[in-house]
Amino acid sequence: AQRVTQPEKLLSVFKGAPVELKCNYSYSGSPELFWYVQYSRQRLQLLLRHISRESIKGFTADLNKGETSFHLKKPFAQEEDSAMYYCALSGRSGGGADGLTFGKGTHLIIQP
Amino acid sequence: NAGVMQNPRHLVRRRGQEARLRCSPMKGHSHVYWYRQLPEEGLKFMVYLQKENIIDESGMPKERFSAEFPKEGPSILRIQQVVRGDSAAYFCASSGVSNQPQHFGDGTRLSIL
Repeated sequence: AQRVTQPEKLLSVFKGAPVELKCNYSYSGSPELFWYVQYSRQRLQLLLRHISRESIKGFTADLNKGETSFHLKKPFAQEEDSAMYYCALSGRSGGGADGLTFGKGTHLIIQP
Repeated sequence: NAGVMQNPRHLVRRRGQEARLRCSPMKGHSHVYWYRQLPEEGLKFMVYLQKENIIDESGMPKERFSAEFPKEGPSILRIQQVVRGDSAAYFCASSGVSNQPQHFGDGTRLSIL
């Protein structure tokens, strides 16, 4: 069975400090991993996906198949990064045509 | 493009009533997904539909829940004889071709009195 684990329910860091939101997964094949973000009073939106290997809003995430992890990182946190972050997994390329498996989410709070 | 549209945003029902949740996918999208989020939990996949077809309903409860995506009109998630445990946020997502990411709606918050 596929599973996504986000061990931190809440993460609080100061503005300008580095941020790392942890995500570990369990899947027997080659998954595609995503990070979704939900800002206050907004809908869930895609932040980045591992196959894109791009940086969005200063965030990056590298898929580590050995450690089955897909941690989200940003070197210098900004107050506007405060949000709920969800890690998600799909068994299909792109994540379409498949139900995503989500972690429980991490509430990131950036203190001024 | 208004994105994925869900209505109503909030729905209150008494135990035993029926709840109907609607989802209009993004323009040009033909794949629709429903998820449920209980308090303090992540989103849990329920069902995946294409026009007039249920493709994967492995996450749907066996009783009282049904979903459809007709040729015309929005996708409907229907919950019959609601119980307190059905109180949750229900999210709809859509995608275009099968290798594109899913885009989410604002969700419907269902409260059962």
